Amino acid sequence: EAGVAQSPRYKIIEKRQSVAFWCNPISGHATLYWYQQILGQGPKLLIQFQNNGVVDDSQLPKDRFSAERLKGVDSTLKIQPAKLEDSAVYLCASSFGTVGYEQYFGPGTRLTVT
Amino acid sequence: ELKVEQNPLFLSMQEGKNYTIYCNYSTTSDRLYWYRQDPGKSLESLFVLLSNGAVKQEGRLMASLDTKARLSTLHITAAVHDLSATYFCAVDYTSGTYKYIFGTGTRLKVLA
Repeated sequence: EAGVAQSPRYKIIEKRQSVAFWCNPISGHATLYWYQQILGQGPKLLIQFQNNGVVDDSQLPKDRFSAERLKGVDSTLKIQPAKLEDSAVYLCASSFGTVGYEQYFGPGTRLTVT
Repeated sequence: ELKVEQNPLFLSMQEGKNYTIYCNYSTTSDRLYWYRQDPGKSLESLFVLLSNGAVKQEGRLMASLDTKARLSTLHITAAVHDLSATYFCAVDYTSGTYKYIFGTGTRLKVLA
């Protein structure tokens, strides 16, 4: 069974530029999560989708971050404009359901903003 | 707001020794998850604990959950070098919306 796919794996941009990350979850997984992990910290949930609807985006900085999940499968996370403090690893995860289900994580995208 | 705290944050131990990592959380939840992260890698699910008193074991790792104390433990038996990684616990709960919060992480280093 294929795992969660993410691209790109690495991205370096200058502040005020924009960037987009892509995620393809495990087939059949209805729930998709985007996390931000700053070096030395635990992952912080940015947004959670159930199929193509948003369940929780309370920690998404909506003035600069946006995310969508078209047709309930692939998802993209965009940052525009980027700030230095956005440098982090962006992890996508998926699960079959929400309550009580383990999450499967992709390899992540390491973003460096200079 | 839910807080999930782990201790210790760093743990250096000798091969063959036993140790326990603690995960405390601040709100009522019957569900707790443990993950492992190797340096530069993504997270891998270890255990899903879904009720008070739940105990799961895999190899040298055993996890348990006490929902009344709001405490989970990850016990390491006879540590080996391959267990060196960062271990995260996570708690989910519903308060208006569904929340999933990770702990601070425990960086474990097993010395040969």
